[in-house]
Amino acid sequence: DADVTQTPRNRITKTGKRIMLECSQTKGHDRMYWYRQDPGLGLRLIYYSFDVKDINKGEISDGYSVSRQAQAKFSLSLESAIPNQTALYFCATSDPPRDGYTFGSGTRLTVV
Amino acid sequence: DQQVKQNSPSLSVQEGRISILNCDYTNSMFDYFLWYKKYPAEGPTFLISISSIKDKNEDGRFTVFLNKSAKHLSLHIVPSQPGDSAVYFCAALPNSNSGYALNFGKGTSLLVTP
Repeated sequence: DADVTQTPRNRITKTGKRIMLECSQTKGHDRMYWYRQDPGLGLRLIYYSFDVKDINKGEISDGYSVSRQAQAKFSLSLESAIPNQTALYFCATSDPPRDGYTFGSGTRLTVV
Repeated sequence: DQQVKQNSPSLSVQEGRISILNCDYTNSMFDYFLWYKKYPAEGPTFLISISSIKDKNEDGRFTVFLNKSAKHLSLHIVPSQPGDSAVYFCAALPNSNSGYALNFGKGTSLLVTP
């Protein structure tokens, strides 16, 4: 089993729909992150959580929300999807960050 | 504002030669730097890191150099192999272990040709 599992791997959804991307980790780490990758823009931070009771906005949190259901689970929601949210989404975990992040394999989301 | 900059979107190198990937940063509070490698359809994987108390860190074919005065770091791959073809991301952290997440550059796509 992968250390960080993201579901679904691919998703096509319509504009205006609510969608949730899920992430679970088996590393036992407290810190979890959601990043978005767009061509030419690199990895941009959406939200991060340093423990179950701690949620922080990243640089591009507008249009997104998160839920930290347990130490191992961190989900990302798009309340009303729009086409410019079409991207590759990565979840990651670390503890502490200087040891490097472990990333999931990504979710490719297309909003039509 | 992008605090970690990789100004070369792509680089092509012949197998066996040296690959040099560059990264600049603007935040003087950054004191720990990491390189990640990403293949298509996979998540990024940690490659090598360097602390600001060093100016060089080596791991096999991979060496990272840090020039603090220039706020510049580089990743050297010697010799380059076709399997090194991937996107490389530079990332940085400030000098506190709490309250921050990694800042990533936009990435450089490396192609190593046989």
